[in-house]
Amino acid sequence: GAVVSQHPSRVICKSGTSVKIECRSLDFQATTMFWYRQFPKKSLMLMATSNEGSKATYEQGVEKDKFLINHASLTLSTLTVTSAHPEDSSFYICSAREGGGSTGELFFGEGSRLTVL
Amino acid sequence: GQQVMQIPQYQHVQEGEDFTTYCNSSTTLSNIQWYKQRPGGHPVFLIQLVKSGEVKKQKRLTFQFGEAKKNSSLHITATQTTDVGTYFCAGKWSGYALNFGKGTSLLVTP
Repeated sequence: GAVVSQHPSRVICKSGTSVKIECRSLDFQATTMFWYRQFPKKSLMLMATSNEGSKATYEQGVEKDKFLINHASLTLSTLTVTSAHPEDSSFYICSAREGGGSTGELFFGEGSRLTVL
Repeated sequence: GQQVMQIPQYQHVQEGEDFTTYCNSSTTLSNIQWYKQRPGGHPVFLIQLVKSGEVKKQKRLTFQFGEAKKNSSLHITATQTTDVGTYFCAGKWSGYALNFGKGTSLLVTP
């Protein structure tokens, strides 16, 4: 199946700094990617839909100025957590569909665990 | 926003027992997908159900989509220790995004 790669897998940062997480589709083009947040032993909460060449669509309650999403190419979306605080510590995971359609299997990245001190 | 409710949250079974997890939406779904996440891993796609009343099987796993396309279930027959993990349903109504249920964590003891 298709492969989605996320980097870094783990990051520790100080409160107030910004952290960028990359999500790449390695063997397919993804016009749309999705960013989720997962708390320990909890479900995946959809944060935003990343659209190549246009603005991301954020879910209700997700601060767009806090979680900046850039989808500059067909294989790369980035999530930047700005001015991170301890409550932003979480597991962030991206996904994408092969072919860019609205249906079909989601391929997930390995996830990025953010710890804010 | 639209949500799928999933129960139970946890299930602990003896190896060889059956297991079922259920998902329910208050509104009609376009389709529903099921994913499995092993401890420490990322979700992996299992199946997609699209048609009303659809039933699909994958070896010991049986997936059903209700006639009204508002509920779905995953049944595992004769569980094995390799079935351990969290099973998520994910509903799609319109657009591109999926909304995940809270998941059912399955623990299988030998």
